[in-house]
Amino acid sequence: GAVVSQHPSRVICKSGTSVKIECRSLDFQATTMFWYRQFPKQSLMLMATSNEGSKATYEQGVEKDKFLINHASLTLSTLTVTSAHPEDSSFYICSARRGGTGELFFGEGSRLTVL
Amino acid sequence: GIQVEQSPPDLILQEGANSTLRCNFSDSVNNLQWFHQNPWGQLINLFYIPSGTKQNGRLSATTVATERYSLLYISSSQTTDSGVYFCAPKTGANNLFFGTGTRLTVIP
Repeated sequence: GAVVSQHPSRVICKSGTSVKIECRSLDFQATTMFWYRQFPKQSLMLMATSNEGSKATYEQGVEKDKFLINHASLTLSTLTVTSAHPEDSSFYICSARRGGTGELFFGEGSRLTVL
Repeated sequence: GIQVEQSPPDLILQEGANSTLRCNFSDSVNNLQWFHQNPWGQLINLFYIPSGTKQNGRLSATTVATERYSLLYISSSQTTDSGVYFCAPKTGANNLFFGTGTRLTVIP
């Protein structure tokens, strides 16, 4: 299957700092990537749709100034959690949509802990 | 958005047993994927199955789009099958809608 790589897998930061998470599609070009958030023992919640070369589309209730998304190339999307607070602690997962069938492939996820 | 219900929410199996996981969805779909989330959080693609039946080793899946459900069959379960299984259908929009998942525990 296709490969999507996410980095870092774990990050611990102090409250007030910003954290950047990268999502790369390694063996295909992805014009569309998605960012999800998952709380313990819950399902995945779509945060935003990232489109290459244009602004991201955020789901209702997701603060775009808090969660900055940049999709500068066909293989890379980044999520920056700005001025992180403990309530931002969560598991963040990205996915990339492969052309043709539109099948989604997921990164390994990034566990963020804000102290 | 589309409503997705998965059942059962939790399932405990003895190693070697078979099981069927069900996914009901509320609207017409043009795509459906099944994923296995392992204990480390990684989502593994199992099937891309908007309709029909597919098999991959001990796993198979069937989607009956006209009746708005999909089934995932696990045969001869192994401890490594443990984790959460998600069904994720898609309508005309770009994103998948995730169900609540079935948490499977396979005991030796």
